[in-house]
Amino acid sequence: GENVEQHPSTLSVQEGDSAVIKCTYSDSASNYFPWYKQELGKRPQLIIDIRSNVGEKKDQRIAVTLNKTAKHFSLHITETQPEDSAVYFCAASNPNTGFQKLVFGTGTRLLVSP
Amino acid sequence: DVKVTQSSRYLVKRTGEKVFLECVQDMDHENMFWYRQDPGLGLRLIYFSYDVKMKEKGDIPEGYSVSREKKERFSLILESASTNQTSMYLCASTGTGYDGYTFGSGTRLTVV
Repeated sequence: GENVEQHPSTLSVQEGDSAVIKCTYSDSASNYFPWYKQELGKRPQLIIDIRSNVGEKKDQRIAVTLNKTAKHFSLHITETQPEDSAVYFCAASNPNTGFQKLVFGTGTRLLVSP
Repeated sequence: DVKVTQSSRYLVKRTGEKVFLECVQDMDHENMFWYRQDPGLGLRLIYFSYDVKMKEKGDIPEGYSVSREKKERFSLILESASTNQTSMYLCASTGTGYDGYTFGSGTRLTVV
């Protein structure tokens, strides 16, 4: 089955710096890759996703890139702000398994210091 | 505008008790999921359901069962709670398209 690895497990940056979180997946048939943000004590929320027919997607300060050949995808956050501090999860889904089942990475705790 | 509701935010149960965790969604979603979240392990899938009365095992189903008698409600059952089931439990739902999950607020279960 699918396996998703996520790095780093923790990431500390200064406000205004960029942050990059990387994930690799094992199942070449996976074609949907969402990213979730979980603030302390709150539910995970979808912040951006990408499908395998595109290589990059941007939404204001966040972007996701996908390299299907290498089977990895990354989250990029520019001009980080303290409110970006949270745990971020990547995930992957193989449509052949049906049911929109997601396999998650282990999470990255991002700390943005003022 | 809460769309996925988990009945309890915190629960404390004793070893051996039968525990019910309830999840209700109001988005008419076909698919519902139960994950547990543990530090360093991310979110691991316990069970999911793609239709009423239908269920599928996830990656860690041992010690758990589920029930989906109505489309909007998906229950997770711990048949005989054990201390290693102390965890945060997250319910999620999604429709038939790839629109991402909507998560509930989670239930932090402590088994003593």
